[in-house]
Amino acid sequence: NAGVMQNPRHLVRRRGQEARLRCSPMKGHSHVYWYRQLPEEGLKFMVYLQKENIIDESGMPKERFSAEFPKEGPSILRIQQVVRGDSAAYFCASSPRQGGGTGELFFGEGSRLTVL
Amino acid sequence: AQSVAQPEDQVNVAEGNPLTVKCTYSVSGNPYLFWYVQYPNRGLQFLLKYITGDNLVKGSYGFEAEFNKSQTSFHLKKPSALVSDSALYFCAVMGGPYNFNKFYFGSGTKLNVKP
Repeated sequence: NAGVMQNPRHLVRRRGQEARLRCSPMKGHSHVYWYRQLPEEGLKFMVYLQKENIIDESGMPKERFSAEFPKEGPSILRIQQVVRGDSAAYFCASSPRQGGGTGELFFGEGSRLTVL
Repeated sequence: AQSVAQPEDQVNVAEGNPLTVKCTYSVSGNPYLFWYVQYPNRGLQFLLKYITGDNLVKGSYGFEAEFNKSQTSFHLKKPSALVSDSALYFCAVMGGPYNFNKFYFGSGTKLNVKP
């Protein structure tokens, strides 16, 4: 059973470009969460999605950031017009259902975005 | 509001010695507490959790944590540290049952175990 898959693992963008980060949850998991980890900091919640629905986006910046989890395919975190402050590791996590299973989140290896 | 604090940025311990990584929490209602470990350039791995029951929780790789309600603490412990335990450790609190979108992480504690 494959774990949470994130790609790309590393992404370099110049200021003003777009970044797309993809996350395939574990098989059987329908809940996806995105977190951002800035250097030397903890993880900050960004957004919680279920298939075709955004449940909670209270941690998302108001501009330039968007997320989706379509009926088919991976969840995508999209950052438009990237700035240097967007440089961070972005982690995706999944769970089988809200609070289900053994109660923990399963994390991917992260996508590390560097903005030049 | 739910929050966790990890007062130590870094903990240094010699191999074979006991280790403690501290965590205090602030929640309204019953706490749901977790510890995760992150190795360099990797994702987070679940270590253990406290939901209810026995205050001493045992987890992966020989780690355990003690829930102390009066001190609002959930310190991570291991009787004998290994060099391979060197990593970044995160304490987390979940804001009530079934609310992973309200999953708050501490700032992390870097554990250095020296041979």
